[in-house]
Amino acid sequence: DAKTTQPPSMDCAEGRAANLPCNHSTISGNEYVYWYRQIHSQGPQYIIHGLKNNETNEMASLIITEDRKSSTLILPHATLRDTAVYYCTVLLIQGAQKLVFGQGTRLTINP
Amino acid sequence: DTEVTQTPKHLVMGMTNKKSLKCEQHMGHRAMYWYKQKAKKPPELMFVYSYEKLSINESVPSRFSPECPNSSLLNLHLHALQPEDSALYLCASSPLGRSREQYFGPGTRLTVT
Repeated sequence: DAKTTQPPSMDCAEGRAANLPCNHSTISGNEYVYWYRQIHSQGPQYIIHGLKNNETNEMASLIITEDRKSSTLILPHATLRDTAVYYCTVLLIQGAQKLVFGQGTRLTINP
Repeated sequence: DTEVTQTPKHLVMGMTNKKSLKCEQHMGHRAMYWYKQKAKKPPELMFVYSYEKLSINESVPSRFSPECPNSSLLNLHLHALQPEDSALYLCASSPLGRSREQYFGPGTRLTVT
């Protein structure tokens, strides 16, 4: 399984865009990029996923570089409730799904 | 209904006890998962069930025994645990189609004394 590398922590001001980077340089052609987040003392929450095109949903946008070796999760207008640990992972969508979490980025939104 | 429920929320057990954790979902998902999460660490996969059959066991000690009695229920039977097994135990489910986002429950916080 491809591994991911994320900065351990980031800060962002409330109302600004939070851009969370992730490196996955060993990703294979049929592996998807998935993002989850975990707010303190809760179960992880799915945010978004993509293969090679940029994706957007009601929570966030995902930008994947053309070589697919890195991606950026964008929270367009961060709120205090977005303070959480954000996990980037890569996944084959076939057979049983083996989700392997890296260390994640602890994002703190400051008022 | 997009919820995964887990019971109990908290559990304290002695090393000689037998207890079970329960997980339930009604989203029609055919894959279910158990994860273990220690404090300040990411969740670690323990077991995966696909179509009610065990498909992945991440070399988990036999004192943890999973069971999937039907497509909505997942149990984790605990016996002769050690204090280092104290952790947050998370259950998740996912569809087995193209979009495989996992839905997580709130977890059971287990303390072994």
